Amino acid sequence: DIQMTQSPSSLSASVGDRVTITCQASQGISNFLNWYQQKPGKAPKLLIYDASNLETGVPSRFSGSGSGTDFTFTISSLQPEDIATYYCQQYDYRQVTFGPGTKVDMK
Amino acid sequence: QVQLVESGGGVVQPGRSLRLSCAASGFTVSSSGMSWVRQAPGKGLEWVALISDDGNEKYYADSVKGRFTISRDTSKNTLYLQMNSLRFEDTAVYYCAKIYWSGSYVFPSWGQGTLVTVSS
Repeated sequence: DIQMTQSPSSLSASVGDRVTITCQASQGISNFLNWYQQKPGKAPKLLIYDASNLETGVPSRFSGSGSGTDFTFTISSLQPEDIATYYCQQYDYRQVTFGPGTKVDMK
Repeated sequence: QVQLVESGGGVVQPGRSLRLSCAASGFTVSSSGMSWVRQAPGKGLEWVALISDDGNEKYYADSVKGRFTISRDTSKNTLYLQMNSLRFEDTAVYYCAKIYWSGSYVFPSWGQGTLVTVSS
């Protein structure tokens, strides 16, 4: 099974800061990597699919890149409403795997 | 628009069974892949099970294989998760999700979740 790691596990940033989260797969997964945002008590929300495609309606300050085993998620200018936990996710041969999550809070 | 409403959660003793339901609207479950994802209190997301759009393929996480069964009733436009031999570690909020295939499975739409507590 493919394992997913994320770093950092948590971070604190100020409004307007650039925030970067990385996700690493234990094997190559091409560009089949998705990113979700989850706010406390709420369901996850899809932000980025296939590594770099912005889901409809998602603000353009969110972006993703990468392929193979290494992926990056970026918030170009952190806003107060971006406080949440972010998860990467992949599917490979009958198994879906989520990363352990990165908690983003305000400094 | 797509709406997913889970129900059936509650408190159950270890070893007992429970069936979760996910009522879909805005699309037909017969033409869409669907999945269950859970989240234990204070923990991350854990995928549980998936059914393909044609219903012919069902996949399970190792942690639930042989105990949980995913199914759907197209006449009721509803997804189910039958959970047998429940364990303390199955305690979680269970989300259903509409999924699609883009070369891999993507989860664009989620329900609000239903809480299952396994407790003696």
